[in-house]
Formats: sequence, C-alpha cells, structure tokens
Amino acid sequence: QVQLMQSGPEMKKPGASVKVSCETSGYPFTSAGITWVRQDPGQGLEWVGWISGYSGNTNYGQKFQGRVSLTIDTPTSTAYMELWGLRPDDTATYYCARRIRAVDGRRGIYYYYMDVWGTGTTVIVS
Amino acid sequence: QSVLTQPPSVSAAPGQKVTITCSGFTSNVGSDFISWYQQFPGTSPKLLIYDGNKRPSGIPGRFSGSMSGAAATLTIAGVQTGDEADYYCGVWDYGLSLYVFGSGARVTVL
Repeated sequence: QVQLMQSGPEMKKPGASVKVSCETSGYPFTSAGITWVRQDPGQGLEWVGWISGYSGNTNYGQKFQGRVSLTIDTPTSTAYMELWGLRPDDTATYYCARRIRAVDGRRGIYYYYMDVWGTGTTVIVS
Repeated sequence: QSVLTQPPSVSAAPGQKVTITCSGFTSNVGSDFISWYQQFPGTSPKLLIYDGNKRPSGIPGRFSGSMSGAAATLTIAGVQTGDEADYYCGVWDYGLSLYVFGSGARVTVL
C-alpha cells in the first residue's frame, strides 16, 4: 500500500537549517506530487508548498517563500523539504502528503487533495 | 495566506448528528472540490472526503460532505466516541496557486 515515511525528529539552533525527508513507496513516484504541511504545537494545518513528482516544479506558500526549498530524488522516490534561517517559531511538526490531481470531467477543471499522509517530523528550534 | 473559517468546537451525544461548516471562500477557490481531513491527537491527518462529497475506500458511510450556498459542510451521522478528533477542510486556491486549510474544528462526543 502507499506509504510515506519521514525522517526522525530534529533539534536545531536558531539560524540553522533543517532538511526533512519523505520516502515514498507503493505507487509510481512520478504519478503524483508531494505537499508539505506544517502544524505548530496545538495549532491547525498550514500549507508549506508542493512539488511535482514528475517535473520537480514547485509552489510555495507566501509565508515560506525564500526560506524553504522542496526537492525530489526520483530514483529513491524521496522528497525533501529544507528550511533555513530557523527561528524558535519554526518549532512544529512537518508532514508530507501525496497530492493527487484529479479532473472534474464535466467542467474540465483540475482539483487537488492529499490522500495519504506521512508520519510527521517534529522540528524543535531552541 | 487566507484560512477558511470553521467553528472551533462542536459537541454532540453518541448517535447524534454532527455538522461542521467551512466558509470564507474567495472567488478563486474551487469550493466545489473541497476536501475534509480528520486528525486524532498526536497522529497524522487522514483524508475523509474529497471532491466535495466522495469518500476514499475505508471511510465509513456516516461521514458525508456537501455544499450549500457559501459554505461546505461535513456531516457525521450517528457520531461515535471514536470520532472525537480535529477536522479540517481544505481546498486549492486557483488565483494564488496555493492550498488553503480551514481553521479546524474539534469534535467532542459527550
């Protein structure tokens, strides 16, 4: 079955960078994108960005623009999120999720959703 | 980035119906294609509903989604104690090319 396994917890100093991995299995990696989502302690979900598993094209949330980089390694079916210039308020759990692109046949519009989520990676900045 | 509005909390007795609304859609948001996610404390979110009202395999039929006017609704028909969790709506904003989540609603089963 489809699985997304993320790297383990990280403890970083302010100003450092962190790279979180998301190893996928159970589906053709290039058939879907990977979305990254952040959840601050006790808070809701926040979209970080998305990367295409086929082309490597990316979209980033405005809050993270210029401070995050999403990459993929197709041979290992692994996606990565690197965040630099870490601040204490970057302390959060970061999730990867498979992003599905589907089409509404009636209107010819693409729509998107995340159908399988990773295990989550806790990053503590202190 | 914008956040869709959900009630912070909803409560009901076992067996009752629970409805969670999601509103605040802009004209660039494909509100018809809304998804709903369930998250238990300390675990990863899980897809409950996609394309407004479709359930992935394995999701019980008591979960349903609908759209009415300017709000999307997740309904849990006959809520169970095991449904106590946080529920988020989410949808793609075509204008800004980003995904928007709702603020989240905590369901408590009394």
